[in-house]
Amino acid sequence: DAGVIQSPRHEVTEMGQEVTLRCKPISGHNSLFWYRQTMMRGLELLIYFNNNVPIDDSGMPEDRFSAKMPNASFSTLKIQPSEPRDSAVYFCASSHLGLTGGQPQHFGDGTRLSIL
Amino acid sequence: SQQGEEDPQALSIQEGENATMNCSYKTSINNLQWYRQNSGRGLVHLILIRSNEREKHSGRLRVTLDTSKKSSSLLITASRAADTASYFCATDSGSQGNLIFGKGTKLSVKP
Repeated sequence: DAGVIQSPRHEVTEMGQEVTLRCKPISGHNSLFWYRQTMMRGLELLIYFNNNVPIDDSGMPEDRFSAKMPNASFSTLKIQPSEPRDSAVYFCASSHLGLTGGQPQHFGDGTRLSIL
Repeated sequence: SQQGEEDPQALSIQEGENATMNCSYKTSINNLQWYRQNSGRGLVHLILIRSNEREKHSGRLRVTLDTSKKSSSLLITASRAADTASYFCATDSGSQGNLIFGKGTKLSVKP
């Protein structure tokens, strides 16, 4: 079975450029989460979607960050313009939200983003 | 905001020994989950324990939950070098499926 697929795995770009990270969740999952991981701050939840609808984006650090989920099988996280402090590993995860609450989340292998 | 806090931050043991990691949290929960992260990889779900459960086993893993103390522990028995990884607890407190992760315990198992 295919897991959560993220692309690209690595991205190096210059400050000011637009960065787009992509995620394909596991088929049948109805919740999708974007996280950022750094040594200093650990794993931070940026935004999550249920049934393609954004539920909580309070973790998005600034207006430079935006996320979309146009359909159940695809989501993007965009940073425009990018800054060096955005350098981190960005993870996408998906799960099935049922009547009994949160279920285990399945993570992709992340995108390692470096902004020079 | 940080919900789960793991303790210790780092743990180094010999192969064959048991490893115990602890997690404390602040608010009431629906369930608590443990995850493992190998270097350069995403997190992998290990085990989920619901708020009405006190103990759960999965292979060499044993998880306990004490809701009165708002704490959980993960015990890995007979550790192996392949268990070397970071371990995170995560709490589910709402109705939307989102989790709050702690900062993790870095476990090193020496052969």
